[in-house]
Amino acid sequence: AQRVTQPEKLLSVFKGAPVELKCNYSYSGSPELFWYVQYSRQRLQLLLRHISRESIKGFTADLNKGETSFHLKKPFAQEEDSAMYYCAFKTGANNLFFGTGTRLTVIP
Amino acid sequence: DTGVSQNPRHKITKRGQNVTFRCDPISEHNRLYWYRQTLGQGPEFLTYFQNEAQLEKSRLLSDRFSAERPKGSFSTLEIQRTEQGDSAMYLCASSLEDRADGYTFGSGTRLTVV
Repeated sequence: AQRVTQPEKLLSVFKGAPVELKCNYSYSGSPELFWYVQYSRQRLQLLLRHISRESIKGFTADLNKGETSFHLKKPFAQEEDSAMYYCAFKTGANNLFFGTGTRLTVIP
Repeated sequence: DTGVSQNPRHKITKRGQNVTFRCDPISEHNRLYWYRQTLGQGPEFLTYFQNEAQLEKSRLLSDRFSAERPKGSFSTLEIQRTEQGDSAMYLCASSLEDRADGYTFGSGTRLTVV
């Protein structure tokens, strides 16, 4: 079955501390993985995608096919990182499957 | 082009009534998607269009739901005989075919069925 698991609904870290948002996926093929972010009162927007291997706003995510994971990491959290984060993957049918999301709160 | 636009932003309706939502995608995007998001959940795929053709529908899309994209531009999502379980945020997104960079989402229409 196709599934995205984000085990933490809520995550709080202090400003300047490292942050890791976990994501595991279940899919028989080779999916494309994404992280989407939703800041307060804003629309859902793309943060980063695994194929580009880029760092956006200091965040990185590495696809680990052996562990079927795509954890999102940032070495030093900032207050403006507080938001809802969704892990998602796209199948060959071009549909996005989302996890249930993790609400990150960065404590000043 | 101000991105993906959805109207209305909020809709309150009585159970049993019909409602219709509209989505205007980014003009050059030929793919348009509808998602539903309930409290505490991530967005769930409902259906998508490539130009005017509806290519896939989720099992979540019951017979009471119908979506159209008549000219390959804007799309409408209609829910007939609404039920309280239909209360959710309905999200629209658009993308370019074969672009592997995800979608551009609208702000959504929040439906409350009372």
